[in-house]
Amino acid sequence: GAGVSQTPSNKVTEKGKYVELRCDPISGHTALYWYRQSLGQGPEFLIYFQGTGAADDSGLPNDRFFAVRPEGSVSTLKIQRTERGDSAVYLCASSPWGGTYNEQFFGPGTRLTVL
Amino acid sequence: ELKVEQNPLFLSMQEGKNYTIYCNYSTTSDRLYWYRQDPGKSLESLFVLLSNGAVKQEGRLMASLDTKARLSTLHITAAVHDLSATYFCAVHGSGNTGKLIFGQGTTLQVKP
Repeated sequence: GAGVSQTPSNKVTEKGKYVELRCDPISGHTALYWYRQSLGQGPEFLIYFQGTGAADDSGLPNDRFFAVRPEGSVSTLKIQRTERGDSAVYLCASSPWGGTYNEQFFGPGTRLTVL
Repeated sequence: ELKVEQNPLFLSMQEGKNYTIYCNYSTTSDRLYWYRQDPGKSLESLFVLLSNGAVKQEGRLMASLDTKARLSTLHITAAVHDLSATYFCAVHGSGNTGKLIFGQGTTLQVKP
């Protein structure tokens, strides 16, 4: 079966622009996570969806970052007024259910470069 | 705040040698994950350690978990070049959301 997919694989934008990053989770997985990985670092949690709702958005760095999952499947991470410090790889992961008893499966990531 | 620390952060070793990567975490957790990441690639799950004393082995890699010491180890036996990658450990953060807190990663370079 298909794994987690993310588009685009690479995104180059200019400072101040708006970007959207898309994640398609594994079919049937109700839990979806976004992480950000800066160069040379481990991934850092951004937001967790259980179904359509954002159950934990404590990792979003500021109000320029927003994510949606309107139908409980595909999710979009939206970044407004991008800054050079937003440059990173954005990883999406899904699991059958949320909580601490389900392994997360990661997508290939979107590499965002803000010039 | 939960912290996950790995050491060493960088490891260069010759083929055929043994070595251990350490992962310490700062709060109680009965589950720990090890991932592998190749350059420019995503995370590949290696091991899920579910309880105190858990030991899992796959090929030349063996992982163990001591929840009382809040320590996991990833032991490499007779390293080969194909094991060159960055290895991350991760535990679940606070609450019951399942979010993962990762270590900084250990970059392993195996020289022929």
